[in-house]
Amino acid sequence: GQQVMQIPQYQHVQEGEDFTTYCNSSTTLSNIQWYKQRPGGHPVFLIQLVKSGEVKKQKRLTFQFGEAKKNSSLHITATQTTDVGTYFCAGQGGANNLFFGTGTRLTVIP
Amino acid sequence: DAGVIQSPRHEVTEMGQEVTLRCKPISGHNSLFWYRQTMMRGLELLIYFNNNVPIDDSGMPEDRFSAKMPNASFSTLKIQPSEPRDSAVYFCASSFGTYQPQHFGDGTRLSIL
Repeated sequence: GQQVMQIPQYQHVQEGEDFTTYCNSSTTLSNIQWYKQRPGGHPVFLIQLVKSGEVKKQKRLTFQFGEAKKNSSLHITATQTTDVGTYFCAGQGGANNLFFGTGTRLTVIP
Repeated sequence: DAGVIQSPRHEVTEMGQEVTLRCKPISGHNSLFWYRQTMMRGLELLIYFNNNVPIDDSGMPEDRFSAKMPNASFSTLKIQPSEPRDSAVYFCASSFGTYQPQHFGDGTRLSIL
């Protein structure tokens, strides 16, 4: 079955440092979505990538979809304490459901 | 705009009791999803509906779990009888279609004693 693996599971960074989380699928994806969940909150949609090699930016966040559409990454430049939370990728292949990755929990040390 | 509304926010009950979780999706959304989140297993899709019809319930753990969507504005997830291992946060989400971004409710934190 389809699996979406995400690394690292946890990441602690000093405020101002960069952060990257990686997402890998066992199958080719039709699209990939990224969500952020604050502690005690619910997942909130950030962005969707559809095209091979696509790169999208949201302020300090850069999202990338691999050429083979089997992997993706989220990079945060100069982290802030407001970036704290768990970042999930969610991949969708064909007519399948959205499969959520295991998430990367980011802690930012002030 | 009202988001996805779930009730109750918290539920604490004894094992063996019936538990009913409720969800009101965003108006106009035709896809509805039920998820369960735990530390051990992460975010798991239990079941999803398109236009009120259950499409995939392969994530439902066992026969003790059932879900219904009698109309476009309401869905329930029922656990009967409940067990301590059912303790988790249950999220409902809705979207304009299966491929579209999902909007999550605040979740129901369920504790079975």
